[in-house]
Amino acid sequence: IAGITQAPTSQILAAGRRMTLRCTQDMRHNAMYWYRQDLGLGLRLIHYSNTAGTTGKGEVPDGYSVSRANTDDFPLTLASAVPSQTSVYFCASSDGAGGPGDTQYFGPGTRLTVL
Amino acid sequence: GQNIDQPTEMTATEGAIVQINCTYQTSGFNGLFWYQQHAGEAPTFLSYNVLDGLEEKGRFSSFLSRSKGYSYLLLKELQMKDSASYLCAVMDSNYQLIWGAGTKLIIKP
Repeated sequence: IAGITQAPTSQILAAGRRMTLRCTQDMRHNAMYWYRQDLGLGLRLIHYSNTAGTTGKGEVPDGYSVSRANTDDFPLTLASAVPSQTSVYFCASSDGAGGPGDTQYFGPGTRLTVL
Repeated sequence: GQNIDQPTEMTATEGAIVQINCTYQTSGFNGLFWYQQHAGEAPTFLSYNVLDGLEEKGRFSSFLSRSKGYSYLLLKELQMKDSASYLCAVMDSNYQLIWGAGTKLIIKP
C-alpha cells in the first residue's frame, strides 16, 4: 500500500451501536488527524495526534475517541453512535509534528450513516 | 470567532481563467492552504502561502495578503477536469487548520 487507507469505505449503523473507523498510513508521518465533512460546512477536526503515544481534541471531539499506539495506525471510535454523527470521515497525516506549514495528506474517506 | 469565507459556487468556461477568493479571520496565522476535492473523493493539496505575494505552480497560482486577511486561487486555461470543489484552510495559532466550506467550480464547454 502507499499513502493512507481507511476502512470501511461506507457503513450503515444503527443508533447506539459502537463503531471503529480504521486509518493506516505507510509514509511514517508523525502527525495524524480525523475530520468530518458535512454538506455546507468546512472540514471539522475531531481529534489529532502529533506523534505516537499522544492525542489531542479538535473542534468537535464529543462522542468520539482515538488512540495512537504506533506511528501507522490511528483508529476513531464512536462509543454509541447517534444520527448526528452521520457524515463523511476523513483521516489525514502530515510528516511534521503538526507545526507551521505542515501539509496534510488525506485518506479516501469513510461514509457513515447512523439510523 | 474564527471564520473562513469563500463563494459557494462559481461557473466558468473551458479555456478561460477563474479566480476563487478566500477571506479569513483567525486567531493567529501560520499559513494558508488550498486543496482540490473532486466529488466523492479526498481533498488533495494544491498550494501553501505564508508570505505575502503570488506563488505560481503551472496553471494554478495562489496569492496572499496577510494585512487584508485575503487570498485567491487563480486557475488558468481551464479544463473540464478542473470541475471540483476548492477548499481554503488557514493554520491558526494552535497549528490547527480552520477550513472554509469550499467553492464548487463548474466548468462549461
